[in-house]
Amino acid sequence: DAKTTQPTSMDCAEGRAANLPCNHSTISGNEYVYWYRQIHSQGPQYIIHGLKNNETNEMASLIITEDRKSSTLILPHATLRDTAVYYCIVRVEDNNNDMRFGAGTRLTVKP
Amino acid sequence: GAGVSQSPSNKVTEKGKDVELRCDPISGHTALYWYRQSLGQGLEFLIYFQGNSAPDKSGLPSDRFSAERTGGSVSTLTIQRTQQEDSAVYLCASSFGGSNTIYFGEGSWLTVV
Repeated sequence: DAKTTQPTSMDCAEGRAANLPCNHSTISGNEYVYWYRQIHSQGPQYIIHGLKNNETNEMASLIITEDRKSSTLILPHATLRDTAVYYCIVRVEDNNNDMRFGAGTRLTVKP
Repeated sequence: GAGVSQSPSNKVTEKGKDVELRCDPISGHTALYWYRQSLGQGLEFLIYFQGNSAPDKSGLPSDRFSAERTGGSVSTLTIQRTQQEDSAVYLCASSFGGSNTIYFGEGSWLTVV
């Protein structure tokens, strides 16, 4: 019962913005949108999360649509080191809740 | 330590042997997760511990897999009578409370020959 849908793979030119979409049409009002990424042979790394407002940190920006049914992770100036699998997860902020990962999007940044 | 620590980082074992994988979460983190990732595949949830609550074992693939968490800190994942399909990287993660951002270790790479 996948809660999110992401493209299997995407390419991006080095130095350009990478825009990674995620659909979560069944998201509940108390579910947050989280993004993680996994660089080859490493453990997943937290990127950003949000509820309904757009968020920005030193790594990326998260744009959530007004109806919250989809979101976009933006890496403003992609580098070769951003090549990774990016996971979009929806999750209730609840102490009894675990975190489940889908297949993610494999982003390849090309020179 | 500063991050989630897992050991061993690499383990090669013979089919049928038991293995134990250890996870030291970030100090003070009350929630602990185990995941498995086979080569080229996504993360498969195995088990989740949160404080003194009963663990969520819904992801364990068979009764050969078990995990415990002693004293609310260190966790051990045990795989009995290992099979070749158990070959994967086993990732541990922790968070301060089950609702917060989780942080992963670098994983234990298990190869069953």
